Amino acid sequence: QKEVEQDPGPLSVPEGAIVSLNCTYSNSAFQYFMWYRQYSRKGPELLMYTYSSGNKEDGRFTAQVDKSSKYISLFIRDSQPSDSATYLCAMSNSGGSNYKLTFGKGTLLTVNP
Amino acid sequence: SAVISQKPSRDICQRGTSLTIQCQVDSQVTMMFWYRQQPGQSLTLIATANQGSEATYESGFVIDKFPISRPNLTFSTLTVSNMSPEDSSIYLCSVDTGAGGHGYTFGSGTRLTVV
Repeated sequence: QKEVEQDPGPLSVPEGAIVSLNCTYSNSAFQYFMWYRQYSRKGPELLMYTYSSGNKEDGRFTAQVDKSSKYISLFIRDSQPSDSATYLCAMSNSGGSNYKLTFGKGTLLTVNP
Repeated sequence: SAVISQKPSRDICQRGTSLTIQCQVDSQVTMMFWYRQQPGQSLTLIATANQGSEATYESGFVIDKFPISRPNLTFSTLTVSNMSPEDSSIYLCSVDTGAGGHGYTFGSGTRLTVV
């Protein structure tokens, strides 16, 4: 079983839809959870990060972590064509400056105008 | 957050040759990280490069194949040696965001095709 599982999609939605992206993981030591957005031919950019369980909201984006289920989600409200990208979840189990991220494979999202 | 310049952005190379990828950061950072992103696969950490010491390689990656230099706190290179088509991938350098959070800033990547 891979440490982090993420449905690669592709996922295609109409503009304005609510998008739900998910990852599951097996390592119960993970405490830090991140979502990256990667546009075509660009490097990933950090979108949101969450520590432990709970929700975090930033504009149209909401990140949820359920450690009991080992499940994390990213919700995008009022999706826009500019949200079309690959979304990567990532996790780590340590703090400080020396930590290692484990990534999902990424979900390709297309928002159609 | 840091800005990373990575060169070249893409290259097509003959098998058996080597390619050196450069990564320049606009601020001093302790650690720099090199990743590989293969089609349909997760981002995979190749090695961590500290200034003034040898790079630390992840399981499955060896120094002879992926030598790394880290001459100062703003620059690093990754060489992909004796390339084969299986090395065709995107190679990315990254640094800690330094914001106390847990995320990296990535360069735009080098898209390598080995023929």
